[in-house]
This record gives sequence, structure tokens and C-alpha cells, in this order.
Amino acid sequence: NAGVMQNPRHLVRRRGQEARLRCSPVKGHSHVYWYRQLPEEGLKFMVYLQKENIIDESGMPKERFSAEFPKEGPSILRIQQVVRGDSAAYFCASSPGQGGYGYTFGSGTRLTVV
Amino acid sequence: QQQVKQSPQSLIVQKGGISIINCAYENTAFDYFPWYQQFPGKGPALLIAIRPDVSEKKEGRFTISFNKSAKQFSLHIMDSQPGDSATYFCAASNDKIIFGKGTRLHILP
Repeated sequence: NAGVMQNPRHLVRRRGQEARLRCSPVKGHSHVYWYRQLPEEGLKFMVYLQKENIIDESGMPKERFSAEFPKEGPSILRIQQVVRGDSAAYFCASSPGQGGYGYTFGSGTRLTVV
Repeated sequence: QQQVKQSPQSLIVQKGGISIINCAYENTAFDYFPWYQQFPGKGPALLIAIRPDVSEKKEGRFTISFNKSAKQFSLHIMDSQPGDSATYFCAASNDKIIFGKGTRLHILP
């Protein structure tokens, strides 16, 4: 009966390192969404994935960011060569179908780049 | 491009008062309008939601008013309590949820 599980909760990376954020959706949910939250800026959509497919990546920066949702295992948001501006809270949500219904959010990963 | 505009950015209300948060949207393809509540260090949690064919929805102390022609909707929290102090996000969706920038609500005891 677990909800969306994100790990790690907190992640510290030095500039230039890679950050890998994991998201395990609610059991039975096949749609995953990633959002980034900066102070005073709300939640910004990054990417929408279904199993093995990227459906919409219109909010993803063109470089250094990638996401996947493999057939088995969690969804991964990967940030290569992190910079200070990548410091933010990253939230994952899952749903049983598209359209915003039944979204469940995880508790987020707080990334700090030093 | 900000598709969902939310105001005010912050709000202070006395205990027992009415908290009102307003939102406006641009895309007429949106067909679902949820409100989320977020406490510090936590993920957003669905509070209440409405579809555009309904003008009002009430759940306990929380009411959404929806004006389709004006493309505006609002959240009213009646009898506001200190435990309601949180950040509230309006949102709109067709295939994915787009959020407003949030309102920090503080209820004075």
C-alpha cells in the first residue's frame, strides 16, 4: 500500500558530478511525471513517461538532463555535470492514466550542488 | 509561458476567517482543475478538484468556485485554522498537470 517512493531524500553533489534521482510509482501506476520546485516558483513540469516511453519532455532542459522509466524498476531522472542552478527539490508523481487524475506525489529529493 | 496564474503570493488570515486564493488559466483545453496543499519538506497532496462543467464544489471547509467564461477559479477555506497554514497550488490539466506558482497561507492563532 506504499505511495510514490523517491530516493534519496537528500542528495549533495559537487559541481560537475552526476545526480541520479529514483522514483518508484504507486503499484499499478504506469504513468510517471517529474517536476522541479525552486523557491518562490512553484512546481515546474519536466517530463512525462510511460513504461519504456517518453511521452512529453517539453519541460526538460535540452542538455545534461535525461529521464527513463524502464520496463522493470524505478524511473530515473539523471542530471549530468551538475551546476549550482540545479539545486532544487525534484518531485515525482504517478497516475494510473493520463489527464491529471489520480496523481500521487512522492516526498521529493532535495538536491544541493556545492 | 505561465499557463496558470495564481494570486496572492502570500496570505495572512485570522483564525476563523475565510482564506481566498484566485487562479486564472489560458488554455481552454484544460479539463481538470485540482488544488494541492503542501507542507514544508513534503510533497504536494491533492486537496480538492473540479471539472469545468461544474461551477462550484464543496468538501468540508474547502470550496472551489469555477467561472468557465472568465477562465478563472478560486479556493475558499472557511473557518481557517492554524493547521491550514501551508502552501497551496492551483493547477490545470489535460494530459499533464500545470501548476500555479503557489500561495503561502499563514493562519494567525
